[in-house]
Amino acid sequence: AQTVTQSQPEMSVQEAETVTLSCTYDTSENNYYLFWYKQPPSRQMILVIRQEAYKQQNATENRFSVNFQKAAKSFSLKISDSQLGDTAMYFCAFIFAGNNRKLIWGLGTSLAVNP
Amino acid sequence: EAGVTQFPSHSVIEKGQTVTLRCDPISGHDNLYWYRRVMGKEIKFLLHFVKESKQDESGMPNNRFLAERTGGTYSTLKVQPAELEDSGVYFCASSQPGHGFTDTQYFGPGTRLTVL
Repeated sequence: AQTVTQSQPEMSVQEAETVTLSCTYDTSENNYYLFWYKQPPSRQMILVIRQEAYKQQNATENRFSVNFQKAAKSFSLKISDSQLGDTAMYFCAFIFAGNNRKLIWGLGTSLAVNP
Repeated sequence: EAGVTQFPSHSVIEKGQTVTLRCDPISGHDNLYWYRRVMGKEIKFLLHFVKESKQDESGMPNNRFLAERTGGTYSTLKVQPAELEDSGVYFCASSQPGHGFTDTQYFGPGTRLTVL
């Protein structure tokens, strides 16, 4: 079965500090894509970062970066220099390459950035 | 460019009633998806349209749910009759196939459905 596990239901961080959200997944497939989405209190789901499983280099997007460990099936998200606007629910998800385009999701981690 | 929009943002209905949710994808996006998040559980895939055709409806809970996408533009998801367990947030997403790798799905704000 394909599953995504986010073991931290809630986290908090002080403004300007760094925080890491964990995500592990289980699949027997070899070609897939991993995503982190965020959903701020306003409810619009926004793509944060994506990673192709065939790429060894970790993806980065400004203050957001991932630590992708394919053998361990781990895909953690690091947020540097946290800002108040980073307060949101963060979801880890993956999708298989090819025609099966359904995203498989974790439960989410609620992150609070404190002033 | 407008993003994915959903209407209504919130709906409260009685058990047994009918509700229709609407999703307008990003203009030009052939792929349209419906997902649902029930409180305390993971977001679950419901179905996937490619233009007006249902590509995958394996996630639809039962025959009380009917999705349509006439003309390949906006989509509706009707629940008839609604049950208590249908409460949750219904998300719509759209995407356009890329080249060489799978497309990224862009989400709407969701419709929060409450069945009393």
